This record gives sequence, C-alpha cells and structure tokens, in this order.
Amino acid sequence: DTGVSQDPRHKITKRGQNVTFRCDPISEHNRLYWYRQTLGQGPEFLTYFQNEAQLEKSRLLSDRFSAERPKGSFSTLEIQRTEQGDSAMYLCASSYLGQPGANVLTFGAGSRLTVL
Amino acid sequence: SQELEQSPQSLIVQEGKNLTINCTSSKTLYGLYWYKQKYGEGLIFLMMLQKGGEEKSHEKITAKLDEKKQQSSLHITASQPSHAGIYLCGAPNSGGSNYKLTFGKGTLLTVNP
Repeated sequence: DTGVSQDPRHKITKRGQNVTFRCDPISEHNRLYWYRQTLGQGPEFLTYFQNEAQLEKSRLLSDRFSAERPKGSFSTLEIQRTEQGDSAMYLCASSYLGQPGANVLTFGAGSRLTVL
Repeated sequence: SQELEQSPQSLIVQEGKNLTINCTSSKTLYGLYWYKQKYGEGLIFLMMLQKGGEEKSHEKITAKLDEKKQQSSLHITASQPSHAGIYLCGAPNSGGSNYKLTFGKGTLLTVNP
C-alpha cells in the first residue's frame, strides 16, 4: 500500500473554470476526509465520508463545491466556477473506523490549486 | 467551536538546542494529535495522546497531554536540521465518534546548522 494518493498535485486555472481533484485512500480505510489549507493556516475541515456516505459537510463547503465517493473507494472533490479565494491546498486524508480509541488520519501530499 | 492556539508561531534554533511547542485548546480535550508538515506537502503523523498525563516519545520528540490545562506540549531534544518544518496539533471535537480533527495554525520550526 502506497498511502493516500492525490491527483493532480498542482492545478492552475482561470477564474470561472471548473476543477476536479481525486483522492485514493489507503485501501482498508473506510473513512475519507477533505481539508483545505491556506498559507499560514492549519487545515480546515471540509467534509468526510464513511464508506460511500457523506456524513458531514462544513459551512466552508459552498454550493460550488461537491464531493463524492462512489462505491466507498476513491473520492473526487469538484469546484465549479472557481474564484480566486478558492486558491489553497486541498488535502485528503483517510482513517479506519474501528481502530480502538483512536482515529489517526493519514494524509495525502495535497493538491495545490491556484486560481488566476 | 473548538479552537487550538499554538505557540510560538515560529521558532529558530541552533542545531543541538532543545525546544518546546505548546498547543492550548479553548475546550475540553478528548485527545491530541501532533503532525509535521514540510512546506507544500501533506501532514505526517507524529504522535497521539489520549489520556490526561499521558506522555509519549519517538526518537528525540516527546509529547505530553495536560487535560486539566487543556494543553499539550511537544519537546524536541538536541534538534537537527531534519526536524525543521511546520508542527501542527489537532484535536477531535468530541469524545464520541472522534471522527473530525480541528487543527491549530502550526508552528514553523527552523533549525540552523
């Protein structure tokens, strides 16, 4: 297992365009999380899935954002009509529900979005 | 909502020196996770503390959890350039499902050779 993979690592787009990020979690992990991190800040929670069910979405996740996790495997995060304020690092993490008393998140390397 | 305040925001030390980073929560801590991040990369898990008074060590890094003070500290002994990076503390928002972590803003550590 190679850990959590994210693609693409870098994306530069023009304002108004749509972008999609993909996350492949660790295969036996049933929870998947998306976070957003801007320069000088800690990661901010966006949403999380348990298997294929999206169980929580942050208020940070506007209507332009949508996340899916079909079949409980990989996940995609789509941003429609991008704005310059969407420029950030988008981090994916996964964990295994059932690990007693703990929920260690394993993070991917992130997808950096720059909106011009 | 829970907030985690880290201090200092940044730290520059000479190689070989000891240092401590603190993480203080605005609410009850139900556990505390420490991660390290290299600039522009993902987070690497360091340690998890679950009980008040718990202390864990890995190589030259020691973390402690003081539940009463709602605080955790990360101590590095005899720092090396490889310790440089951003240290982030994260805590679950509740003691139940433990599924979501709130993070501090991070402490940027520079170690000069």
